[in-house]
Amino acid sequence: GDSVTQMEGPVTLSEEAFLTINCTYTATGYPSLFWYVQYPGEGLQLLLKATKADDKGSNKGFEATYRKETTSFHLEKGSVQVSDSAVYFCALSPGNNRKLIWGLGTSLAVNP
Amino acid sequence: ETGVTQSPTHLIKTRGQQVTLRCSSQSGHNTVSWYQQALGQGPQFIFQYYREEENGRGNFPPRFSGLQFPNYSSELNVNALELDDSALYLCASSLDQGDQPQHFGDGTRLSIL
Repeated sequence: GDSVTQMEGPVTLSEEAFLTINCTYTATGYPSLFWYVQYPGEGLQLLLKATKADDKGSNKGFEATYRKETTSFHLEKGSVQVSDSAVYFCALSPGNNRKLIWGLGTSLAVNP
Repeated sequence: ETGVTQSPTHLIKTRGQQVTLRCSSQSGHNTVSWYQQALGQGPQFIFQYYREEENGRGNFPPRFSGLQFPNYSSELNVNALELDDSALYLCASSLDQGDQPQHFGDGTRLSIL
C-alpha cells in the first residue's frame, strides 16, 4: 500500500545552518504531497504542498520539490532559525483528499 | 474565518469507559477527518466524514465510531477504552474539491488510566 518514509531524527542544527529533511514515498497513481509542522504543544499546520511532478512548494523559506523519478519530496531551508524548532511531517494524499498517509515525523532542534 | 476547534483539550478516563470528542470544522468546509497520534508517532487515519456520511476508514476497530452533523461539525466516540487508546486525537477539516489541504485543530489529549 501507500506509504511515506522520513529520515529519522532528532536533527540538531545551529542557527543559520542549512536544513534538509528527506522524505520518500510509495504510491500508486499521482498523489499530492505535503509537509506539515507541529510546534511544541500545538496542532499540525500545513507548511507547503505540491500536487504534481516537478511542482515546488514553498513557504516561510522552506521548499520541497515533487520528484516523481526518485519518489521524493525533500524539505529544505537555507538558513534555519531557533523558531523553526518543531516536528516536521511528510504526508501524501492518494487522491481527492480522502485521507492523509503520514511519515513518522522528524524532530528539529535549532540552537542559537 | 474561524479555524478548526476541538473540545475538550484534555481528558482523563479509565479502562472500559466511553468517551466523546468534538470538532467544529472550519467555516465552509464539508469534510472532517479524524486521526490518532500516539506519542512520538505520526498521525494514523481513523475515518473521514463527508456530508454526514462515512467516507473512508482506517485500520481501527468498530468501537471507534463517529458522526457528522448538518453543520459539518463532528464527534468521535470510543467505547470500552483501553490503555493503548491514550493519544492525541486530531480533527481536520477540508473542502472536498480537488486538492484542498486539510486544516487541523489543536487536538484532544486523551489519557487512559
